[in-house]
Amino acid sequence: NAGVMQNPRHLVRRRGQEARLRCSPMKGHSHVYWYRQLPEEGLKFMVYLQKENIIDESGMPKERFSAEFPKEGPSILRIQQVVRGDSAAYFCASSMDRTTYGYTFGSGTRLTVV
Amino acid sequence: SQQGEEDPQALSIQEGENATMNCSYKTSINNLQWYRQNSGRGLVHLILIRSNEREKHSGRLRVTLDTSKKSSSLLITASRAADTASYFCATDARSGGSNYKLTFGKGTLLTVNP
Repeated sequence: NAGVMQNPRHLVRRRGQEARLRCSPMKGHSHVYWYRQLPEEGLKFMVYLQKENIIDESGMPKERFSAEFPKEGPSILRIQQVVRGDSAAYFCASSMDRTTYGYTFGSGTRLTVV
Repeated sequence: SQQGEEDPQALSIQEGENATMNCSYKTSINNLQWYRQNSGRGLVHLILIRSNEREKHSGRLRVTLDTSKKSSSLLITASRAADTASYFCATDARSGGSNYKLTFGKGTLLTVNP
């Protein structure tokens, strides 16, 4: 059981480029969550997805950010036209039944915008 | 706004001592969870306590929940240097319909000195 796999671990993008972050949930988990963490801060909820559905995107900036969790393949968090303020660690988590087991987190993708 | 707020922000103790961290929250919850994060890594789920539970144990961890005061505490007994990490509480509060999400506090940085 490989756990939640995120890639890449580190991503450097120039301002204006696009960043694509991938997350493969644990086997058997159908709930995926994306969080952002700034230095010395807690995690901020971004989006909650199930297969082919966005359940709650209330934490996503209205512009430039999008997320998907297709029927086949990993969940993708996409940031278009990145700016310096997007630099952060982005964590993906998955769960089977959150009310009992909690989330399993990936190791995160550290995005640096230069 | 933050749902869970940990206290203290930082705690430094000697190996063998007990460490107590507190968490306060604002709205009604389904459950409260504690996570640990080593520097530069993802979060690891430690323990989940449901709103109808008052205390839970897992190894050297003891969690209490007081829903009347909207607070929880995490006690780590007989601490070890390897317990050095940031500890986060997270609340699972139903936000309408079936849109569940965990809301994290800013964490307590625990340093255990050998």
